[in-house]
Amino acid sequence: QQQVKQSPQSLIVQKGGISIINCAYENTAFDYFPWYQQFPGKGPALLIAIRPDVSEKKEGRFTISFNKSAKQFSLHIMDSQPGDSATYFCAALDNYGQNFVFGPGTRLSVLP
Amino acid sequence: DAMVIQNPRYQVTQFGKPVTLSCSQTLNHNVMYWYQQKSSQAPKLLFHYYDKDFNNEADTPDNFQSRRPNTSFCFLDIRSPGLGDAAMYLCATSRALGLAKNIQYFGAGTRLSVL
Repeated sequence: QQQVKQSPQSLIVQKGGISIINCAYENTAFDYFPWYQQFPGKGPALLIAIRPDVSEKKEGRFTISFNKSAKQFSLHIMDSQPGDSATYFCAALDNYGQNFVFGPGTRLSVLP
Repeated sequence: DAMVIQNPRYQVTQFGKPVTLSCSQTLNHNVMYWYQQKSSQAPKLLFHYYDKDFNNEADTPDNFQSRRPNTSFCFLDIRSPGLGDAAMYLCATSRALGLAKNIQYFGAGTRLSVL
């Protein structure tokens, strides 16, 4: 119940295309959902985050969509660029701010 | 402006030789975390400090210890590194537990090699 599932494991997209990464959770105590971007040899960096009372949040080319009833959320990267090539982790945090769970990650490659 | 700073970035040690990794933060956050990340995997939480209170994850080996002498610094000690301990070690901080949106901020990591 503490798991966060993430798919796909890896993703290859052409420059200018849309990258879509999906996550799902079971624990209804989760109520904050950040996404982290990690470049090789670097630590994860917070990219964007959403709460379940919002169905969509957009920051530049990055959009999170949230389906509370299905307990699913996804990251969309519009106009994907080679510089977006990285590993993306979704995560979930409970409403006590204590349980923080990473998804297994998606390795994104954007071809020039 | 680095807010969570890890030193060194790369560390090489010998099998069985104790090694210490360090982390410092300028965010004045109450919580500091240590994660182990192996290739193509998500970070795995080893333990965290909430102020001076130490919390060990149930499956963290006894070989791993931590010290937090003050708010700004936290150390990871590996008493007898094995080949399986070669990994990226990530330090993270968050403002406090018991808060919503208790986002964790990560350092750049220390890549540990065990020869």
